[in-house]
Amino acid sequence: GAVVSQHPSWVICKSGTSVKIECRSLDFQATTMFWYRQFPKQSLMLMATSNEGSKATYEQGVEKDKFLINHASLTLSTLTVTSAHPEDSSFYICSANGGRREWRINIQYFGAGTRLSVL
Amino acid sequence: GESVGLHLPTLSVQEGDNSIINCAYSNSASDYFIWYKQESGKGPQFIIDIRSNMDKRQGQRVTVLLNKTVKHLSLQIAATQPGDSAVYFCAETPQGGKLIFGQGTELSVKP
Repeated sequence: GAVVSQHPSWVICKSGTSVKIECRSLDFQATTMFWYRQFPKQSLMLMATSNEGSKATYEQGVEKDKFLINHASLTLSTLTVTSAHPEDSSFYICSANGGRREWRINIQYFGAGTRLSVL
Repeated sequence: GESVGLHLPTLSVQEGDNSIINCAYSNSASDYFIWYKQESGKGPQFIIDIRSNMDKRQGQRVTVLLNKTVKHLSLQIAATQPGDSAVYFCAETPQGGKLIFGQGTELSVKP
Protein backbone atom coordinates (compact mmCIF):
# COMPACT_ATOMS: atom_id res chain seq x y z
CA GLY A 1 0.00 0.00 0.00
CA ALA A 2 0.89 3.65 -0.29
CA VAL A 3 3.19 5.05 2.39
CA VAL A 4 2.94 8.45 4.00
CA SER A 5 5.79 9.62 6.18
CA GLN A 6 5.27 12.26 8.85
CA HIS A 7 8.06 13.95 10.76
CA PRO A 8 8.73 14.55 13.57
CA SER A 9 6.73 12.00 15.51
CA TRP A 10 7.04 13.94 18.74
CA VAL A 11 8.04 17.49 19.53
CA ILE A 12 8.21 19.55 22.69
CA CYS A 13 8.58 23.29 22.38
CA LYS A 14 8.39 26.43 24.47
CA SER A 15 5.39 28.70 24.31
CA GLY A 16 5.79 31.33 21.61
CA THR A 17 7.97 29.30 19.28
CA SER A 18 6.99 27.87 15.90
CA VAL A 19 7.00 24.22 14.97
CA LYS A 20 7.07 22.72 11.48
CA ILE A 21 5.65 19.29 10.69
CA GLU A 22 6.38 17.55 7.40
CA CYS A 23 4.19 15.11 5.51
CA ARG A 24 5.58 13.16 2.57
CA SER A 25 4.03 10.66 0.22
CA LEU A 26 6.85 8.20 -0.39
CA ASP A 27 5.75 6.08 -3.31
CA PHE A 28 3.03 8.09 -4.97
CA GLN A 29 2.23 11.65 -5.92
CA ALA A 30 -0.45 13.47 -4.00
CA THR A 31 -1.94 16.64 -5.39
CA THR A 32 -4.07 16.86 -2.27
CA MET A 33 -3.06 16.33 1.33
CA PHE A 34 -5.05 16.87 4.48
CA TRP A 35 -4.17 17.95 7.99
CA TYR A 36 -6.12 16.73 11.00
CA ARG A 37 -6.00 17.38 14.69
CA GLN A 38 -6.96 14.82 17.29
CA PHE A 39 -7.49 15.19 21.03
CA PRO A 40 -7.26 12.17 23.35
CA LYS A 41 -10.18 9.77 23.05
CA GLN A 42 -11.73 11.81 20.27
CA SER A 43 -12.14 11.59 16.54
CA LEU A 44 -10.07 13.26 13.85
CA MET A 45 -10.99 16.85 13.11
CA LEU A 46 -10.11 18.10 9.65
CA MET A 47 -8.15 21.34 9.85
CA ALA A 48 -7.34 22.06 6.23
CA THR A 49 -6.98 20.71 2.75
CA SER A 50 -3.58 21.26 1.17
CA ASN A 51 -3.43 21.53 -2.60
CA GLU A 52 -0.17 21.39 -4.50
CA GLY A 53 0.72 24.75 -5.98
CA SER A 54 -2.17 26.66 -4.46
CA LYS A 55 -3.41 27.98 -1.16
CA ALA A 56 -4.76 25.64 1.44
CA THR A 57 -8.45 25.52 2.23
CA TYR A 58 -9.13 25.82 5.93
CA GLU A 59 -12.11 24.45 7.82
CA GLN A 60 -14.33 26.81 9.71
CA GLY A 61 -12.79 27.90 12.98
CA VAL A 62 -9.21 27.07 12.04
CA GLU A 63 -6.90 30.10 12.05
CA LYS A 64 -4.96 30.14 8.82
CA ASP A 65 -2.34 32.54 10.23
CA LYS A 66 -1.82 30.21 13.14
CA PHE A 67 -1.53 27.02 11.13
CA LEU A 68 0.46 27.74 8.00
CA ILE A 69 0.31 25.13 5.29
CA ASN A 70 2.62 24.83 2.33
CA HIS A 71 2.32 22.21 -0.40
CA ALA A 72 5.29 22.96 -2.61
CA SER A 73 5.56 19.65 -4.40
CA LEU A 74 3.50 16.60 -5.26
CA THR A 75 5.08 14.67 -2.41
CA LEU A 76 5.47 17.19 0.40
CA SER A 77 3.15 19.28 2.53
CA THR A 78 4.17 21.12 5.68
CA LEU A 79 2.18 22.43 8.61
CA THR A 80 3.74 25.17 10.71
CA VAL A 81 2.19 25.96 14.06
CA THR A 82 3.18 29.57 14.63
CA SER A 83 3.65 31.11 18.07
CA ALA A 84 2.56 27.89 19.71
CA HIS A 85 0.76 27.97 23.04
CA PRO A 86 -0.15 25.17 25.45
CA GLU A 87 -3.67 24.96 24.01
CA ASP A 88 -2.10 23.98 20.67
CA SER A 89 -0.79 20.80 22.26
CA SER A 90 -2.39 17.93 20.39
CA PHE A 91 -1.85 15.04 18.01
CA TYR A 92 -1.54 16.27 14.42
CA ILE A 93 -2.01 13.82 11.57
CA CYS A 94 -1.61 14.27 7.85
CA SER A 95 -3.00 12.22 5.02
CA ALA A 96 -2.43 12.07 1.30
CA ASN A 97 -5.10 11.46 -1.26
CA GLY A 98 -4.33 8.34 -3.23
CA GLY A 99 -6.58 9.50 -6.00
CA ARG A 100 -9.37 7.80 -7.90
CA ARG A 101 -8.64 4.16 -8.68
CA GLU A 102 -11.48 2.35 -10.40
CA TRP A 103 -14.38 2.56 -8.01
CA ARG A 104 -12.32 3.88 -5.13
CA ILE A 105 -13.20 7.53 -5.13
CA ASN A 106 -11.08 9.00 -2.40
CA ILE A 107 -8.78 6.75 -0.45
CA GLN A 108 -6.60 8.59 1.99
CA TYR A 109 -3.38 7.24 3.43
CA PHE A 110 -2.29 8.55 6.78
CA GLY A 111 0.99 9.45 8.38
CA ALA A 112 1.90 8.19 11.84
CA GLY A 113 1.06 11.51 13.46
CA THR A 114 3.00 14.13 15.41
CA ARG A 115 2.46 14.67 19.09
CA LEU A 116 3.03 18.32 19.93
CA SER A 117 3.55 19.40 23.51
CA VAL A 118 3.84 23.12 24.15
CA LEU A 119 5.25 24.07 27.54
CA GLY B 1 -21.96 15.98 10.61
CA GLU B 2 -18.49 16.11 12.06
CA SER B 3 -17.64 14.45 15.30
CA VAL B 4 -17.10 17.00 18.03
CA GLY B 5 -15.88 16.33 21.51
CA LEU B 6 -17.54 12.97 22.12
CA HIS B 7 -15.95 10.29 24.24
CA LEU B 8 -15.38 7.00 22.53
CA PRO B 9 -17.83 4.14 23.06
CA THR B 10 -16.13 0.90 23.97
CA LEU B 11 -16.71 -2.64 22.79
CA SER B 12 -15.16 -5.47 24.77
CA VAL B 13 -15.00 -8.97 23.28
CA GLN B 14 -13.39 -12.28 24.08
CA GLU B 15 -10.55 -13.46 21.90
CA GLY B 16 -11.91 -15.69 19.16
CA ASP B 17 -15.36 -14.14 19.16
CA ASN B 18 -16.72 -12.06 16.31
CA SER B 19 -16.90 -8.29 16.71
CA ILE B 20 -19.42 -5.94 15.19
CA ILE B 21 -18.72 -2.23 15.20
CA ASN B 22 -21.46 0.12 14.08
CA CYS B 23 -21.44 3.57 12.59
CA ALA B 24 -24.18 5.99 11.65
CA TYR B 25 -23.20 8.42 8.93
CA SER B 26 -24.79 11.76 8.36
CA ASN B 27 -24.85 12.70 4.70
CA SER B 28 -27.12 10.88 2.30
CA ALA B 29 -25.00 12.22 -0.58
CA SER B 30 -21.94 10.31 0.59
CA ASP B 31 -20.96 7.73 -1.97
CA TYR B 32 -17.78 6.20 -0.58
CA PHE B 33 -16.99 4.90 2.89
CA ILE B 34 -13.86 3.67 4.59
CA TRP B 35 -13.13 1.90 7.86
CA TYR B 36 -9.87 2.81 9.57
CA LYS B 37 -8.08 1.24 12.51
CA GLN B 38 -6.06 3.46 14.82
CA GLU B 39 -3.71 2.05 17.40
CA SER B 40 -2.60 4.18 20.30
CA GLY B 41 -0.21 6.93 19.27
CA LYS B 42 -0.37 6.06 15.58
CA GLY B 43 -2.13 7.31 12.48
CA PRO B 44 -5.24 5.61 11.07
CA GLN B 45 -4.67 2.51 9.01
CA PHE B 46 -6.94 1.58 6.10
CA ILE B 47 -8.96 -1.59 6.67
CA ILE B 48 -11.68 -1.84 4.06
CA ASP B 49 -13.83 0.39 1.91
CA ILE B 50 -17.18 0.27 0.15
CA ARG B 51 -18.98 2.33 -2.44
CA SER B 52 -22.62 3.34 -2.14
CA ASN B 53 -23.71 1.02 -4.96
CA MET B 54 -22.62 -1.95 -2.87
CA ASP B 55 -24.18 -3.31 0.30
CA LYS B 56 -21.44 -5.70 1.36
CA ARG B 57 -17.73 -6.23 0.87
CA GLN B 58 -15.49 -8.85 2.38
CA GLY B 59 -11.83 -8.79 3.13
CA GLN B 60 -9.56 -10.97 5.15
CA ARG B 61 -11.46 -11.56 8.42
CA VAL B 62 -13.38 -8.33 7.91
CA THR B 63 -16.73 -7.55 6.32
CA VAL B 64 -18.31 -4.16 5.80
CA LEU B 65 -22.07 -3.79 5.47
CA LEU B 66 -23.79 -0.69 4.17
CA ASN B 67 -27.45 0.16 4.68
CA LYS B 68 -28.17 3.37 2.82
CA THR B 69 -31.80 3.42 3.84
CA VAL B 70 -30.92 4.11 7.45
CA LYS B 71 -27.44 5.54 6.77
CA HIS B 72 -25.73 2.80 8.71
CA LEU B 73 -22.36 1.16 8.26
CA SER B 74 -20.96 -1.80 10.16
CA LEU B 75 -17.62 -3.54 10.40
CA GLN B 76 -17.54 -7.20 11.30
CA ILE B 77 -14.30 -8.77 12.46
CA ALA B 78 -14.21 -12.55 12.53
CA ALA B 79 -12.27 -14.46 15.17
CA THR B 80 -11.13 -11.31 16.93
CA GLN B 81 -7.51 -11.34 18.08
CA PRO B 82 -5.64 -9.26 20.70
CA GLY B 83 -3.92 -7.44 17.84
CA ASP B 84 -7.31 -6.14 16.75
CA SER B 85 -7.52 -3.99 19.89
CA ALA B 86 -7.63 -0.40 18.68
CA VAL B 87 -10.01 2.42 17.91
CA TYR B 88 -12.06 1.95 14.76
CA PHE B 89 -13.39 4.88 12.76
CA CYS B 90 -15.77 4.94 9.87
CA ALA B 91 -15.36 7.77 7.39
CA GLU B 92 -17.65 9.07 4.67
CA THR B 93 -17.00 11.12 1.58
CA PRO B 94 -19.85 13.61 1.06
CA GLN B 95 -18.11 15.85 -1.43
CA GLY B 96 -14.94 17.59 -2.47
CA GLY B 97 -12.58 14.78 -1.63
CA LYS B 98 -12.83 15.32 2.12
CA LEU B 99 -13.33 12.52 4.58
CA ILE B 100 -15.68 13.06 7.49
CA PHE B 101 -14.88 10.80 10.40
CA GLY B 102 -17.33 9.23 12.80
CA GLN B 103 -16.77 9.34 16.54
CA GLY B 104 -14.94 6.01 16.70
CA THR B 105 -15.31 2.86 18.78
CA GLU B 106 -12.63 1.47 21.03
CA LEU B 107 -12.35 -2.30 20.66
CA SER B 108 -10.84 -4.18 23.56
CA VAL B 109 -10.04 -7.87 23.12
CA LYS B 110 -9.75 -10.00 26.23
CA PRO B 111 -7.43 -13.01 26.00
